[in-house]
Amino acid sequence: EAGVTQSPTHLIKTRGQQATLRCSPISGHTSVYWYQQALGLGLQFLLWYDEGEERNRGNFPPRFSGRQFPNYSSELNVNALELEDSALYLCASSFFRGGGIKPQHFGDGTRLSIL
Amino acid sequence: ELKVEQNPLFLSMQEGKNYTIYCNYSTTSDRLYWYRQDPGKSLESLFVLLSNGAVKQEGRLMASLDTKARLSTLHITAAVHDLSATYFCAVDVVQSNYQLIWGAGTKLIIKP
Repeated sequence: EAGVTQSPTHLIKTRGQQATLRCSPISGHTSVYWYQQALGLGLQFLLWYDEGEERNRGNFPPRFSGRQFPNYSSELNVNALELEDSALYLCASSFFRGGGIKPQHFGDGTRLSIL
Repeated sequence: ELKVEQNPLFLSMQEGKNYTIYCNYSTTSDRLYWYRQDPGKSLESLFVLLSNGAVKQEGRLMASLDTKARLSTLHITAAVHDLSATYFCAVDVVQSNYQLIWGAGTKLIIKP
């Protein structure tokens, strides 16, 4: 079974540019979560999508946005990039509906560097 | 406020020693997750604890859950260098629509 895949692995941008990160969940998972992890720090929750809808978002400015497609893959868009946006962006997927345990399975991440 | 607190945040220990990482959470939850993250890598699921008194073991790691005390522990027995990583705990609660609430992580360094 293929795991969560993220692309690109690395992304280098300059201030003011826009970045698009992509995530494909494990087959059958309907929920996709995005996290930001700055160097040496914990996980900061960004966005949660399930069945194509945004379920929740973390305490980030509106220039962080995303969407989920009918095949449950997802994009994270970051506009007007700032130096502080440099971080590892992790995508995770899980089941959501039907109850039961729903551990999140993580991709390898996209390292975004802002010059 | 929904909070998950890990203690300690940083731990340096010698190989062969035992130690425990603690995870406290602020509201009722019946599911607690432990993850491991190696430097520069993604997160790997270690344990899912589903009920009060649950205990799971994998190699030198053992996790337990006390839902009454809102406390989970991750115990390391006879630590080896390969266990050096950052360990995160997380809970899901109905108040957050079952979204995971994460601890800050415990960075564990095991010296040979």
